[in-house]
Amino acid sequence: GAGVSQSPSNKVTEKGKDVELRCDPISGHTALYWYRQSLGQGLEFLIYFQGNSAPDKSGLPSDRFSAERTGGSVSTLTIQRTQQEDSAVYLCASSSTSGRTDTQYFGPGTRLTVL
Amino acid sequence: DAKTTQPTSMDCAEGRAANLPCNHSTISGNEYVYWYRQIHSQGPQYIIHGLKNNETNEMASLIITEDRKSSTLILPHATLRDTAVYYCIVRGNSGGSNYKLTFGKGTLLTVNP
Repeated sequence: GAGVSQSPSNKVTEKGKDVELRCDPISGHTALYWYRQSLGQGLEFLIYFQGNSAPDKSGLPSDRFSAERTGGSVSTLTIQRTQQEDSAVYLCASSSTSGRTDTQYFGPGTRLTVL
Repeated sequence: DAKTTQPTSMDCAEGRAANLPCNHSTISGNEYVYWYRQIHSQGPQYIIHGLKNNETNEMASLIITEDRKSSTLILPHATLRDTAVYYCIVRGNSGGSNYKLTFGKGTLLTVNP
């Protein structure tokens, strides 16, 4: 079946501009996660959505970052007033929590470059 | 989550089995062993996971020692497309904050022609 999709695949923006990154999870998955991965670094957790519960925003690095998930499916990560240190690959994952384990399946990522 | 230790890099000849080791000596009873891989410039790809029994799927086999302190991921017939960084992760099952995945350095597997 279709996996997690993300758009755009690449985004180049100027410092100070706002950007929106989109994630379409696997159909039926109730949990959605955003991570980012800077060059040569590991995964950095950003935010977690589970059903209708309040999201876990504990990983968002500043108030310039926000995310929403409409209708329990598609999610948008918004970065306002982008800075050069925001340059990274932004990864979205989804999982089904109906079983004992919640294996996360990742999308291809959006490579963000802030000039 | 328990810490894991993996070799920095490994080489394997195309067509041969690739055996990637992982030590997780501090694993607790309810923690699973997960393997992901990341091919250059792509998102992480789930491979397999297990609790205490050996597991096999279309991608790989996972062998977990009886004491659960180490495991081996086996790619039975490695191809050039299997060249990637392989991450071994130990995490609890669903619940709590176990959903925050963290990857260590992983093992860079290079499959040579």
